[in-house]
Amino acid sequence: AQSVTQLGSHVSVSEGALVLLRCNYSSSVPPYLFWYVQYPNQGLQLLLKYTSAATLVKGINGFEAEFKKSETSFHLTKPSAHMSDAAEYFCAVRSNTGKLIFGQGTTLQVKP
Amino acid sequence: NAGVTQTPKFQVLKTGQSMTLQCAQDMNHNSMYWYRQDPGMGLRLIYYSASEGTTDKGEVPNGYNVSRLNKREFSLRLESAAPSQTSVYFCASSVSGTRGPDTQYFGPGTRLTVL
Repeated sequence: AQSVTQLGSHVSVSEGALVLLRCNYSSSVPPYLFWYVQYPNQGLQLLLKYTSAATLVKGINGFEAEFKKSETSFHLTKPSAHMSDAAEYFCAVRSNTGKLIFGQGTTLQVKP
Repeated sequence: NAGVTQTPKFQVLKTGQSMTLQCAQDMNHNSMYWYRQDPGMGLRLIYYSASEGTTDKGEVPNGYNVSRLNKREFSLRLESAAPSQTSVYFCASSVSGTRGPDTQYFGPGTRLTVL
């Protein structure tokens, strides 16, 4: 069965600093992996997804994630945080029946 | 192109009352989903509909029923609301739930409080 673990429910960075949000997955088949962002009082929006075409995936708003099979990880990074990046971020893996399995979420705080 | 719309945005119920949450999508998607979001638990799938005419239980279906009214609309019904159903409910849709790295598109959510 597939599962996702996000390490750290809250991450705080200063504006301009590196953002690193951690996601580890468990899957018995080659996974499809997703990062979604949720701004306050809004629905989820796709940031990026891994489809096995390339291990480094670039998404919207300057975010990217690297798929590392040996580490079963799909961490999300952004070189320089902006105040507008403050949101909750969810990692998800697609199950073999097509359903998305979400991690618990990581709230990103950006300090001025 | 509105994407995924949900009504109502907010609702307060008393224990035992019933209500239906409405969801519609205008992207001609085949698959639709209902999730609930609770603090520290991420999103959990309640029910989904892989295609028009079919529905299946997700991770937390107890206390809920669904209807796939047509290709566009997928409603979620609480027959007898309980305080444990206080949550934020999200509807989502995707082209097809069974093939490839299918992206799900989410509505803005319904914030439900059961007193």
